[in-house]
Amino acid sequence: GIQVEQSPPDLILQEGANSTLRCNFSDSVNNLQWFHQNPWGQLINLFYIPSGTKQNGRLSATTVATERYSLLYISSSQTTDSGVYFCAGGGTSYGKLTFGQGTILTVHP
Amino acid sequence: NAGVTQTPKFQVLKTGQSMTLQCAQDMNHNSMYWYRQDPGMGLRLIYYSASEGTTDKGEVPNGYNVSRLNKREFSLRLESAAPSQTSVYFCASRGTGTTDTQYFGPGTRLTVL
Repeated sequence: GIQVEQSPPDLILQEGANSTLRCNFSDSVNNLQWFHQNPWGQLINLFYIPSGTKQNGRLSATTVATERYSLLYISSSQTTDSGVYFCAGGGTSYGKLTFGQGTILTVHP
Repeated sequence: NAGVTQTPKFQVLKTGQSMTLQCAQDMNHNSMYWYRQDPGMGLRLIYYSASEGTTDKGEVPNGYNVSRLNKREFSLRLESAAPSQTSVYFCASRGTGTTDTQYFGPGTRLTVL
């Protein structure tokens, strides 16, 4: 099956800093999502982005499908951005996703 | 519109006991999924249901059974719980269309003693 590798595993920032999270895939995917798991455990959809670039406020994501990676950019980070960021991809129908191990982000005031 | 709901939120079992985790979605989605999340790890797929009336194994199906009761509901059953099944369980659903986004429930935290 598809292997998903995320980096860095941990990231500590001061409020206001920018960051880039990376996700590499072992094989082509046609279904790629980024999630944020907040400190209460809730998984929140950030982007559905099998290719191209999308932006939502301070967050943006880019997927280069031909090179099998995706990037999540967080600008002007806030303490509420803290949590775990997961990318997940799938190459089959039925929407099955394989998750990466996650990046733990801590934003200090 | 509640999205994806799960019950119970917390559960403690003794080894060998059985229980059923319930999941329901009100978004008229065709596909539903059960995942488990262990400390420091991403989510792993247990079972999924591509549409009403169908179920199939995911990455870690051993020790679990599922039932797609109708389009809204997808339950996960542990017949004889083991400590290795201590985990947080998430249910998700996905519609069909241009986004194919999966939406997750709040999770069930299960401890098996």
